[in-house]
Amino acid sequence: AQSVAQPEDQVNVAEGNPLTVKCTYSVSGNPYLFWYVQYPNRGLQFLLKYITGDNLVKGSYGFEAEFNKSQTSFHLKKPSALVSDSALYFCAVSDGASGTYKYIFGTGTRLKVLA
Amino acid sequence: DAEITQSPRHKITETGRQVTLACHQTWNHNNMFWYRQDLGHGLRLIHYSYGVQDTNKGEVSDGYSVSRSNTEDLPLTLESAASSQTSVYFCASSEGRGGTGELFFGEGSRLTVL
Repeated sequence: AQSVAQPEDQVNVAEGNPLTVKCTYSVSGNPYLFWYVQYPNRGLQFLLKYITGDNLVKGSYGFEAEFNKSQTSFHLKKPSALVSDSALYFCAVSDGASGTYKYIFGTGTRLKVLA
Repeated sequence: DAEITQSPRHKITETGRQVTLACHQTWNHNNMFWYRQDLGHGLRLIHYSYGVQDTNKGEVSDGYSVSRSNTEDLPLTLESAASSQTSVYFCASSEGRGGTGELFFGEGSRLTVL
């Protein structure tokens, strides 16, 4: 069965510093990996995805993520954090080989960027 | 612009009542999903559909049902609401097959069961 782990409930970072939000996954086939962001009282918004190809994926709002197959990780990164990046971030995976492609989410990581 | 809308946005009901949450998308996506969001659990999949007349159970489907009679709508029904079903419910849709398409989410429906 597919699963996603986000080991940190909250990440605090100072504005202007680089940020990393961690995600590890488990699937039986090829992983399709996604990051979403949620602002208060809103639905989730898509940030970026890895399907195949280059391990470094660039997405919206200056975010990027690195796919590491050997470590089964897909960490979200940004070189310089903004206060407006403060939000709840979710990693998700779908299993490319399962035939029943359902999207499974992690428990979320709250990012707080301090001015 | 295409969108996905949920209604009602807020609902309070009593234990044992039947409740239906509506989800309507104008993306013309084949795939639609219902999730519930609870603190400490993230998003958990309730039901999903890959097309008209197709429905499948997710991880937490007990007490919920869905039907897909057209491409645009996937209503979620709680047959007999329980306090454990107090949650925020999100509908989402995606295009294509194989799980490569990103999900487009509605704004959520907050349900309180007293």
